[in-house]
Amino acid sequence: NAGVTQTPKFQVLKTGQSMTLQCAQDMNHEYMSWYRQDPGMGLRLIHYSVGAGITDQGEVPNGYNVSRSTTEDFPLRLLSAAPSQTSVYFCASSREGRLYGYTFGSGTRLTVV
Amino acid sequence: AQTVTQSQPEMSVQEAETVTLSCTYDTSENNYYLFWYKQPPSRQMILVIRQEAYKQQNATENRFSVNFQKAAKSFSLKISDSQLGDTAMYFCASPYNDMRFGAGTRLTVKP
Repeated sequence: NAGVTQTPKFQVLKTGQSMTLQCAQDMNHEYMSWYRQDPGMGLRLIHYSVGAGITDQGEVPNGYNVSRSTTEDFPLRLLSAAPSQTSVYFCASSREGRLYGYTFGSGTRLTVV
Repeated sequence: AQTVTQSQPEMSVQEAETVTLSCTYDTSENNYYLFWYKQPPSRQMILVIRQEAYKQQNATENRFSVNFQKAAKSFSLKISDSQLGDTAMYFCASPYNDMRFGAGTRLTVKP
């Protein structure tokens, strides 16, 4: 099993550009989430999904969109990149998040200049 | 707001010694789960240990154990016989409708 796969691993964007961070899991997990990690702030939840067709906002959703059309995929879209979105982004999935914890992807380091 | 607090930004320990990392949380629920994750320099997030709140017994995984104090909403991680490979960021986490993390403790194991 590949687990949780994130692409790309690194990305540099110019302010105002848009892009999509891809996340796919092959474990048939219902729960999927996106986090951003900034120094001294741990991981902050951006958006999450408890199943195909269902998404909800986390702590820091502004500037990001998500959709969940299949169980496997949970892409994160940056609508108009800003320097404040420079961060490391993690996608995670879980069979049932509350009980088992999450399996994480390897992260995407995004720099907005 | 439901929060998870780690009050020790950095800690260090000598190899083979024991170290305890602290975590407190806030919840209004009775039945929940608590987690410790490790993030080594590779950046990968690794689940270390899980505690079920309704269980009185503290969870143990090899050299890692927790001290869970439900009334105090405290969930500390003890690492025994510390090894150089334990050097990492450690995050406490608790699921509410989703998963919330503390700010992390950077642990350095010194030879």
